[in-house]
Order: sequence, then structure tokens, then C-alpha cells
Amino acid sequence: QQQVKQSPQSLIVQKGGIPIINCAYENTAFDYFPWYQQFPGKGPALLIAIRPDVSEKKEGRFTISFNKSAKQFSLHIMDSQPGDSATYFCAPGSQGNLIFGKGTKLSVKP
Amino acid sequence: DTGVSQDPRHKITKRGQNVTFRCDPISEHNRLYWYRQTLGQGPEFLTYFQNEAQLEKSRLLSDRFSAERPKGSFSTLEIQRTEQGDSAMYLCASSPNTGYTGELFFGEGSRLTVL
Repeated sequence: QQQVKQSPQSLIVQKGGIPIINCAYENTAFDYFPWYQQFPGKGPALLIAIRPDVSEKKEGRFTISFNKSAKQFSLHIMDSQPGDSATYFCAPGSQGNLIFGKGTKLSVKP
Repeated sequence: DTGVSQDPRHKITKRGQNVTFRCDPISEHNRLYWYRQTLGQGPEFLTYFQNEAQLEKSRLLSDRFSAERPKGSFSTLEIQRTEQGDSAMYLCASSPNTGYTGELFFGEGSRLTVL
């Protein structure tokens, strides 16, 4: 788990704000960089993912920015909504062996 | 519901007892994974099957833990002589082999409490 560092640990934003969650990794063999979203009592679900051949990917209100040289990637949530309140995990890896960060608990206040 | 199914959802046991969890993956997914998640932490990889073959095991998987996937369909995770430190959520995930995007589809987990 030490090879993946996620920050911040928790985040509170107002509705419409743009929370940003960061992930740093060590293993240069990783070739898959996803963000998972987990609600209480549920399993994690894939939110968005990126491969190392692109620097940014956008899906709806969610954007991943990837910096291969810095071994970092981040999640941006545009126009955040109370329904986005959840725990977010980065989980870089390869061939399904994902190394999860410790998570960021996001609260979006109405 | 054709998602990953796990059973039981909750299990309370006394220290020293054996427990077994079952996972039914999404139909036609030939990769199956077990992860463990403790409170306030991210899931930790335990083991991975491709069809019936167990291809990788984490060092977290002590000799008290055993996982099987007979016939490449459902999988079981057994914990023998449970310890309080085994209390966690045990998550199962599956993925297809062909056209693999890297996405894992997780079940809702089996929560174990060891008293």
C-alpha cells in the first residue's frame, strides 16, 4: 500500500465546487490508472480510468489528469453534487492487480 | 441482477472458528479476484484466478487462508482458525479476459467480525 499515496484524506466542498484528489505511485510498470467510487455498504465501482499514452481523459463531469514523468494522476469533479459524496480510491496497477490508495472521503454540501 | 454476488453479506464468528465466503462472478467473466478492506483503508489484493487456475497470491494470504474456484465458475475463500485481525470486508471482483479494459466489477462484499 505504501507504493500508492492518495491525498487529501478528506475533502469538504460546496455544491458546484471542483474537488481535486491526487494520487502518487512508485511502480513504473503500472499501465492502468483508475479511480473507483465507493458508497457506504457497497463495493467500489469504476468511475473513470486512463492509460499512460494520454495525459487527460474526460467523462461527463469527471476528468483524470495524468503526469507520467511525475508518476502522479488526479481526479477532478466538475460542478460537484451532494450525490457525489462518497469515498474515492485511486487504484493504479496492471493486469487486474490493482493497488488501492487509502481513499479520500468527499462530502459535498448542498 | 447479473452483477457479482457474494454470500453471506455479514458473518460474526468467535476467534478460532473457520469461515467460508462464496463469490459468484458475472457470467462469462473468467477472471476472479479477492480483496480485503479494513475500516478506513482501501481494498488490498489477496488472490486472483483465471478460470480455475489460481495465478497470483499476495503475501497477505497466510496459510490460514485458502481460495478455490472449481470449474472456473464460483469461488470460495476459507479462513481457518480466525483471529480478531481477520475482521474486515472481503470483496470479490471479476473481469472478462477478452477485450480486457482493466475494469474490475466488485460485489458488495462479505463483512467478517471476529469476536
